[in-house]
This record gives sequence, C-alpha cells and structure tokens, in this order.
Amino acid sequence: GAVVSQHPSWVICKSGTSVKIECRSLDFQATTMFWYRQFPKQSLMLMATSNEGSKATYEQGVEKDKFLINHASLTLSTLTVTSAHPEDSSFYICSANEEQETQYFGPGTRLLVL
Amino acid sequence: KQEVTQIPAALSVPEGENLVLNCSFTDSAIYNLQWFRQDPGKGLTSLLLIQSSQREQTSGRLNASLDKSSGRSTLYIAASQPGDSATYLCAVNYGQNFVFGPGTRLSVLP
Repeated sequence: GAVVSQHPSWVICKSGTSVKIECRSLDFQATTMFWYRQFPKQSLMLMATSNEGSKATYEQGVEKDKFLINHASLTLSTLTVTSAHPEDSSFYICSANEEQETQYFGPGTRLLVL
Repeated sequence: KQEVTQIPAALSVPEGENLVLNCSFTDSAIYNLQWFRQDPGKGLTSLLLIQSSQREQTSGRLNASLDKSSGRSTLYIAASQPGDSATYLCAVNYGQNFVFGPGTRLSVLP
C-alpha cells in the first residue's frame, strides 16, 4: 500500500525557535495533504488542509501565521511551527490522499518545546 | 504486530436504522481509541475519544464502547440519517504511534 513518511519522528527544541516537519508521499502523488495534532489525552484534531500549489486551508482556532504550511510539490508538504512555545508541544501527524477517498497516514512527529 | 481491523468494510442501510460498526485491535496496551468520520476528499473529523480506563463515550446519537481485554470497540449510531453517510475510521493510540483501521464506508439511503 501507499506509504507516507514524516521527518523528524522526534524533536526537542528551545522556546522561541522554529521547527519544520516534513511529510512525504513515497510512492504516489498527493494533491491534498492534511495536518493533525493531538495534545495529551485529547483527540486527534485536524489543523489544516494543504493543496499542492495553493494556500492551505486552516481549521478554526489554528493560527496560520504560527503554523506555516508549504505544499510545493505533489510528494512533499511541510509544517513549520514558528516561534514554538511549550504549549505547542504535541503530536503532529500528516496524511495524504492518493484518491478522493483513500487517506494514508504518516507515523507522526512528537514535538517537545522546552 | 499492532493491527486494527474494521467490520464491515461497507454498509448500506435505509434511513432510521440503528447501526453498529466494529473495530478490533491486536495489541491491547492502548493509550486511547478514537473514532473519526471521513468525508470524500476531506480531513478526518473526530467523533469520540475513549481513554484506556473508560468503557464508553456518548455524543448525541453516537455511542462508542471499549473492551480492552478482548481488543474491541464498537460505534453505535442511532436513528441513522442520510447525512451520516461517510467513512468511519477507528484509530488506536499506543502513545508513541497511531494505528488506523481501514474504515467502514456507510451509506444511509433516504
């Protein structure tokens, strides 16, 4: 089946720094990628929808200037957490659509901001 | 190996029926389990979250149960409506990783 990778799997950073997370579709072209996050003991929640070559669509309550999404190619989307703070510590996971209804998930990235 | 399966793969019912969707997981050392709804081309919408210490959760017409010892969760949908038509995914959170089921595609006919 289709594979989606994420890099890095773990990241620890200091407060105020920016962190970039990559999401790649390894054997298919993904016109749409999704970014999710999960805070401890909470549900996985959609942050934004990323369409190749256009601006991402953010869910209500997600700051677009803080979570920069770039989907420059059909196999790569990046999420940059700018000026990260401890409250941004979370589990971030991406998914990619191969077709309209088939969604494949990456393994996730755990971010810890000190 | 951590695996999640869902039965049935697809379901088509007339409006008004009560439904049960099943999710099974092989590794019972879960952190929590979540049920999601997926509409075509859209991201997942979280429906219910059950922590490992809980037995069930309810939200409106939805009720999800969890039996860790047997590795099962069920999603019960009462009085189904055409707007419930979607793919329903269960996802098991093992703390360090998620394992998603393949989904149940539901069609509720008017």
